[in-house]
Amino acid sequence: QKEVEQNSGPLSVPEGAIASLNCTYSDRGSQSFFWYRQYSGKSPELIMSIYSNGDKEDGRFTAQLNKASQYVSLLIRDSQPSDSATYLCAVSLDSGSARQLTFGSGTQLTVLP
Amino acid sequence: DVKVTQSSRYLVKRTGEKVFLECVQDMDHENMFWYRQDPGLGLRLIYFSYDVKMKEKGDIPEGYSVSREKKERFSLILESASTNQTSMYLCASSLGTGTVGKPQHFGDGTRLSIL
Repeated sequence: QKEVEQNSGPLSVPEGAIASLNCTYSDRGSQSFFWYRQYSGKSPELIMSIYSNGDKEDGRFTAQLNKASQYVSLLIRDSQPSDSATYLCAVSLDSGSARQLTFGSGTQLTVLP
Repeated sequence: DVKVTQSSRYLVKRTGEKVFLECVQDMDHENMFWYRQDPGLGLRLIYFSYDVKMKEKGDIPEGYSVSREKKERFSLILESASTNQTSMYLCASSLGTGTVGKPQHFGDGTRLSIL
């Protein structure tokens, strides 16, 4: 059973719309949650970290965490074609070493001009 | 900013060769990681290290070994390269203090082709 699940997509949204990316995880003891953006042929780039329930905003990005429901989401407001990429959710699971992250398989986002 | 540097962006080697991939980070991070990424399979952890001379196996260690002689440097070794090791290899590092997981910062990756 996968421990971090994401819809693989592809997800297409028009330019200027809100893109909503979702991630669920299985370990209730998870404490740290991260969103990475990966352009085709490039390495993952950290865009958001969230550790507490609720919303965290950074520019056009908002991360939302709900530990009771075991999901974390990423909202991208005013989506731009440059946001077209694969978005990876990563979770630090409580079982085993806190130093490891478990990555979802990623959601491919396309923003249409 | 964290800088993780991988020695090569592209590398072509032959079957049976011993291949070394080097990774250096400049932020005094305790933890370092090697992943491979293949289409449809996502990121898979090969090995990681949380201290000098320490190493732990990840999910797919077979056919690989690692070396960490200095804190800033983590090397991945393909003992006898095979065509199924053709992949994108990613190195990452993170702070190791505390019990809460810290974000990992990635290098640019090495696209390795084994012929």
